[in-house]
Amino acid sequence: EAGVAQSPRYKIIEKRQSVAFWCNPISGHATLYWYQQILGQGPKLLIQFQNNGVVDDSQLPKDRFSAERLKGVDSTLKIQPAKLEDSAVYLCASSLSGGTRNEQFFGPGTRLTVL
Amino acid sequence: AQSVTQLDSQVPVFEEAPVELRCNYSSSVSVYLFWYVQYPNQGLQLLLKYLSGSTLVKGINGFEAEFNKSQTSFHLRKPSVHISDTAEYFCAVSVHSGNTPLVFGKGTRLSVIA
Repeated sequence: EAGVAQSPRYKIIEKRQSVAFWCNPISGHATLYWYQQILGQGPKLLIQFQNNGVVDDSQLPKDRFSAERLKGVDSTLKIQPAKLEDSAVYLCASSLSGGTRNEQFFGPGTRLTVL
Repeated sequence: AQSVTQLDSQVPVFEEAPVELRCNYSSSVSVYLFWYVQYPNQGLQLLLKYLSGSTLVKGINGFEAEFNKSQTSFHLRKPSVHISDTAEYFCAVSVHSGNTPLVFGKGTRLSVIA
């Protein structure tokens, strides 16, 4: 079974530029999560999708971050414009459904460096 | 709101020695508890989880954890570590109801020394 795929693996941009990350979850997984992991900290949820609807985006900085999950499969996370403090690893995860009992499977992440 | 405290940011241990990684949580409601491992440049992998039932939970790679409700702890243990166990370990908590997110601790870096 293929795992969660993410691209690119690494990205370096200058502040005020825009960037987009892509995630392809495990086939059949209805729930998709985007996490931000700043160096030295645990992952923090940015947004959770159930199929193509948003379940929780309370911690997403909506003035600069946006995410979509068209057709309930792939997802894209965008930052526009980027700030220095956005330097982090962005992790995508998926699970069969959104219940908290269900295991989340994580992709390898995209490491973003903002200069 | 829930929170997780991992008391040690770094734990060095010699190969074949036992190890305990400590995790305490705070919550006013019942929780599920998880331990994840993150190898360099990889995503997180579930080691084990406590949902209900027996408080001693066994996971992959010889790890186990014990849920202690009175002490609000979920410490991770392994009787004999290997070099390959060198990684970052994260404790996480979620509540029983709805789609509430996982809340992670800051992580503990386990370094196994040959």
